[in-house]
Amino acid sequence: QKEVEQNSGPLSVPEGAIASLNCTYSDRGSQSFFWYRQYSGKSPELIMSIYSNGDKEDGRFTAQLNKASQYVSLLIRDSQPSDSATYLCAVKASGGSYIPTFGRGTSLIVHP
Amino acid sequence: GAVVSQHPSRVICKSGTSVKIECRSLDFQATTMFWYRQFPKQSLMLMATSNEGSKATYEQGVEKDKFLINHASLTLSTLTVTSAHPEDSSFYICSARGQGADYGYTFGSGTRLTVV
Repeated sequence: QKEVEQNSGPLSVPEGAIASLNCTYSDRGSQSFFWYRQYSGKSPELIMSIYSNGDKEDGRFTAQLNKASQYVSLLIRDSQPSDSATYLCAVKASGGSYIPTFGRGTSLIVHP
Repeated sequence: GAVVSQHPSRVICKSGTSVKIECRSLDFQATTMFWYRQFPKQSLMLMATSNEGSKATYEQGVEKDKFLINHASLTLSTLTVTSAHPEDSSFYICSARGQGADYGYTFGSGTRLTVV
């Protein structure tokens, strides 16, 4: 069973701080990794995708992938109250299936 | 960027009726589309995967005769909830996978279904 694990939170950080969200996955052969943001009552929105080990930066967001340790993380710098949402980690496993496996999400609260 | 349009955004129907939800990829060809259901404060639950021109693959526990999926073209997939009941009330979201090496999974805006 391919699993993607996330701490459900909530993770509470003050405005301006760095929020660190973590995700671990069970399939060592996984190839593609995605972070989504989902506001309450809305559908998920893609923030970042990462395919290679290391860091990938996009604005205030940095995704970090470590395939050896089977984890992927998302850092949000200068957190804003508008970043308060549930963050979903998704992993596309190895093999021919294109079905991504989603974690249950981490709730982030950025307080002023 | 990849855009997926989903309609309607909200629908209220009477118990026993059928509801059709449309999912369109607007600026790319979606070889594969996914249909999810999400109950309040719960995670996404994959219902089925559809590939253009072939029958959908349903996840275990999802009734294929109740949730009819059609993916007749590379830009359109539909989900029909037949003989809806109040327990079918949920947030239904489609997602499309594009073509090419750097594919991503783009979600539609979701459909809030309420069966009364």
